[in-house]
Amino acid sequence: DTGVSQDPRHKITKRGQNVTFRCDPISEHNRLYWYRQTLGQGPEFLTYFQNEAQLEKSRLLSDRFSAERPKGSFSTLEIQRTEQGDSAMYLCARGRAGNTGELFFGEGSRLTVL
Amino acid sequence: GDSVTQMEGPVTLSEEAFLTINCTYTATGYPSLFWYVQYPGEGLQLLLKATKADDKGSNKGFEATYRKETTSFHLEKGSVQVSDSAVYFCALTGGNQGGKLIFGQGTELSVKP
Repeated sequence: DTGVSQDPRHKITKRGQNVTFRCDPISEHNRLYWYRQTLGQGPEFLTYFQNEAQLEKSRLLSDRFSAERPKGSFSTLEIQRTEQGDSAMYLCARGRAGNTGELFFGEGSRLTVL
Repeated sequence: GDSVTQMEGPVTLSEEAFLTINCTYTATGYPSLFWYVQYPGEGLQLLLKATKADDKGSNKGFEATYRKETTSFHLEKGSVQVSDSAVYFCALTGGNQGGKLIFGQGTELSVKP
């Protein structure tokens, strides 16, 4: 158990629909990261939070993507007007500030856009 | 920008064989280097790390040495087991990157009995 729960584990949607993923980390770490992983590739960084502040967003995160962490605990990642190219595994991870690189990943939320 | 390149897989070995998975990196500054592993049906897990040149990370019989002169961090294990079958990811993070990891593309290892 990595202390990171993601929901839903799998989402199938039609192109153009909006989807939202949720990440619940245990509370001991104040950093939360979102990554995207496509088949046969390594995870790609999307964004991260320190407490409730979103400190960095990748250029991969188009205007259709938005992430929040309103109380510095759970986080949501919303994708609006989904496209087939959004099909991927969305990974959430927790980590401590200052202990860079040692992340604890959830099992991911798989998105399939038809 | 910073990047990580791993040898392509899949790698197929017999049990008790010697394993090497090559990893090279490009980075500004002095990154920390990591190997993460993804077992079938599970999330990514940290396997080992090294934070400065010549450091050796080790865990579960796996080792990797941070080689600044060759910008490499090759993963090795002397005798693999079937249970080592997984996808292995090399990654780096630097002090100016907010703790985020940059991953290689992953190398799938399959160990046959």
